Amino acid sequence: EAQVTQNPRYLITVTGKKLTVTCSQNMNHEYMSWYRQDPGLGLRQIYYSMNVEVTDKGDVPEGYKVSRKEKRNFPLILESPSPNQTSLYFCASRSGGDINEQFFGPGTRLTVL
Amino acid sequence: AQSVAQPEDQVNVAEGNPLTVKCTYSVSGNPYLFWYVQYPNRGLQFLLKYITGDNLVKGSYGFEAEFNKSQTSFHLKKPSALVSDSALYFCAVRPSPGGKLIFGQGTELSVKP
Repeated sequence: EAQVTQNPRYLITVTGKKLTVTCSQNMNHEYMSWYRQDPGLGLRQIYYSMNVEVTDKGDVPEGYKVSRKEKRNFPLILESPSPNQTSLYFCASRSGGDINEQFFGPGTRLTVL
Repeated sequence: AQSVAQPEDQVNVAEGNPLTVKCTYSVSGNPYLFWYVQYPNRGLQFLLKYITGDNLVKGSYGFEAEFNKSQTSFHLKKPSALVSDSALYFCAVRPSPGGKLIFGQGTELSVKP
């Protein structure tokens, strides 16, 4: 089954404790993104990657890091989480063309205390 | 600044009645337009898109959307709503080839029996 998977689905942590949210897709997509969803703000892009070893900042990159060492994986790293990073996070992927729709993971609900 | 607006935070419809979820945009060029749906505790799922051609596009689950260039709108419609259509709906616009996907803030659709 074609899918995007994320882990963990739920995470409660404390300020400053480094964490990684994993994302993996099995569709051989070139393009992957991370979004955060906050009430009334829709989805805002954090980082994106156009292919292996090619990443760039989205609209809200502060406090986040990513890497793309393999085509299928695109982990999101919070080196020193803060309460304002409490949010619902989605990973997405699509094949190269701009006309193509994105496939989204199930989401990771992160709470930073 | 380029933007996407969903003017209604919530839309309430009786089952069997037609529904409309509104989306307007302010972007340059000839945009690509998308609708996604988010069911509770799930990731976003693609519903339909407009790239070019016929202004009325049909998508999944009986949904359709009408592109209106003069009004810069892309409203989502369904002739007869189902209770199972209750979900959060997002309009998204890619301003041009190579442009970044911009999401609206989302509209909560509630269909009552």
